[in-house]
Amino acid sequence: DQQVKQNSPSLSVQEGRISILNCDYTNSMFDYFLWYKKYPAEGPTFLISISSIKDKNEDGRFTVFLNKSAKHLSLHIVPSQPGDSAVYFCAASRYGNKLVFGAGTILRVKS
Amino acid sequence: DTAVSQTPKYLVTQMGNDKSIKCEQNLGHDTMYWYKQDSKKFLKIMFSYNNKELIINETVPNRFSPKSPDKAHLNLHINSLELGDSAVYFCASSRPGQKVTQYFGPGTRLLVL
Repeated sequence: DQQVKQNSPSLSVQEGRISILNCDYTNSMFDYFLWYKKYPAEGPTFLISISSIKDKNEDGRFTVFLNKSAKHLSLHIVPSQPGDSAVYFCAASRYGNKLVFGAGTILRVKS
Repeated sequence: DTAVSQTPKYLVTQMGNDKSIKCEQNLGHDTMYWYKQDSKKFLKIMFSYNNKELIINETVPNRFSPKSPDKAHLNLHINSLELGDSAVYFCASSRPGQKVTQYFGPGTRLLVL
């Protein structure tokens, strides 16, 4: 029962362009959403988050959008840089309890 | 000055053996976690400890036993290892009041032959 889904296993983007990573969830009780970034042979690192009371959160080149009616969130990276190449995990939580992760999307930024 | 560290990084062992993975955090956090990343790449929580007290115990075989000697350490002992236990195991920690923002260790790659 996958409550958090990242349907695109991989994404390839040219340097300087926008990267858009998508995530869907099924549990309407989730109230907090996060994106984690993972390089090979390292653990995931927190990138950006959003509460269900907001529809947008921005941090530098990274913006997360939340569409609660569609149970969908997306991560925008503008402009994309080669160092952004990594696996991006979407995660969701209910009342600050355990995180439920998606399977990840591999982002490749070509220079 | 590593924030969340795990030992060993790699572990290759035979079926039926017992092994332990250690985790330490020097962030002053009070909650620690163990996750398993399986072959399908999903990160799934196994256990969570808050101030040495078990607060999350997912449906994990009781061959897996976490132990938290203090707030900074959470070890994972696995008895009678099976082929299906092969995975990457991540330790994580979080600060008081911010459980969802978790800091992960580098992972321990376990291969059971």
